[in-house]
Amino acid sequence: LAKTTQPISMDSYEGQEVNITCSHNNIATNDYITWYQQFPSQGPRFIIQGYKTKVTNEVASLFIPADRKSSTLSLPRVSLSDTAVYYCLVAPRDSNYQLIWGAGTKLIIKP
Amino acid sequence: DTEVTQTPKHLVMGMTNKKSLKCEQHMGHRAMYWYKQKAKKPPELMFVYSYEKLSINESVPSRFSPECPNSSLLNLHLHALQPEDSALYLCASSQAFFQGASGELFFGEGSRLTVL
Repeated sequence: LAKTTQPISMDSYEGQEVNITCSHNNIATNDYITWYQQFPSQGPRFIIQGYKTKVTNEVASLFIPADRKSSTLSLPRVSLSDTAVYYCLVAPRDSNYQLIWGAGTKLIIKP
Repeated sequence: DTEVTQTPKHLVMGMTNKKSLKCEQHMGHRAMYWYKQKAKKPPELMFVYSYEKLSINESVPSRFSPECPNSSLLNLHLHALQPEDSALYLCASSQAFFQGASGELFFGEGSRLTVL
């Protein structure tokens, strides 16, 4: 099962673009990369999922290089409300029970 | 309706009490999960139900007893808990385990459990 490594914490400022990189060196061929956001005392919320290249939705973009050994979550123009913990997970798409939750990245947005 | 509803939001119980946590979803999801989350830690998988049958038990102590009465409901029965069991208990649901299913987990807001 693929494990992930993320920075423990990051700081940024309102209006900036924030990039959080995740390392997953032993990702398997059928693994997808999924990011979740979690606010204090709430359940995690799905942000984005991808397999390769680039995926974009209304909230974020996910960049995955050709070797798939890492991925970068990009949050455009962050606001104070984006302060949260962000988890990068790797697992087969239909096997959520295999998700391994790493420590996550605590993102703090400052005014 | 894309919500997973958990009750109660907060629960305080003694070590000899019996209580239950409840979870409900109406998205037609056939996989439901219980997670435990301690402060400043990631969620830890406890149980997975698929099509109302227990599929995964991550070696959880028997003082935690899950139940899936139907496809929309998931309970977690608690008995003789220890203070170290105090945590946020999260329920989640997803499409069933089949090829091509979305990987998205839908989480409830959790039940904050304190064991005295």
